[in-house]
Amino acid sequence: GNSVTQMEGPVTLSEEAFLTINCTYTATGYPSLFWYVQYPGEGLQLLLKATKADDKGSNKGFEATYRKETTSFHLEKGSVQVSDSAVYFCALSGEIFGTGTRLKVLA
Amino acid sequence: DAGVIQSPRHEVTEMGQEVTLRCKPISGHNSLFWYRQTMMRGLELLIYFNNNVPIDDSGMPEDRFSAKMPNASFSTLKIQPSEPRDSAVYFCASSLATGHSNQPQHFGDGTRLSIL
Repeated sequence: GNSVTQMEGPVTLSEEAFLTINCTYTATGYPSLFWYVQYPGEGLQLLLKATKADDKGSNKGFEATYRKETTSFHLEKGSVQVSDSAVYFCALSGEIFGTGTRLKVLA
Repeated sequence: DAGVIQSPRHEVTEMGQEVTLRCKPISGHNSLFWYRQTMMRGLELLIYFNNNVPIDDSGMPEDRFSAKMPNASFSTLKIQPSEPRDSAVYFCASSLATGHSNQPQHFGDGTRLSIL
């Protein structure tokens, strides 16, 4: 069946460091892929999405490219800020969520 | 536009009591999801509705849990009787399409439930 696997956290980075959070998927067909972000005390919010192979989703400096050949959708940001500290979830087809990766950015 | 609205935001009650969590989805959305989030188990899908009809309740932990959606603008998740292990944050989410779709979900801010 369909599934999503994302890297274990927590990830701790200094401000302005480069971020990668890995996400791989198993799916039949051509599902859409999503990244959500959850700030403390809040629900999940859609961060970005990609609907087909080679699509790149981007928002707030974050990017992820839908790679069919490697079944991956890694989240990247060139320079993280303290305000990016949150939990990030990779998701498949709208409701199959990964386990979440906590990011902590230090000033 | 109003997002998904959940109430209450916090609930503290003693074990054995009935707990009712409420959700108002975004107007026009036809799918509604209930999730439970804990540190140990992460985010778990409990049940989802499409056009007010329960489609998949395989995630509901046991018979103490029940969910209803009497109309397109309201849903409840009920726990009776409640137990300490039910303590978690419960999220409601809605989307424009059925499960296994390409539409994102919109989450409420959750209900933090503590069973003493």
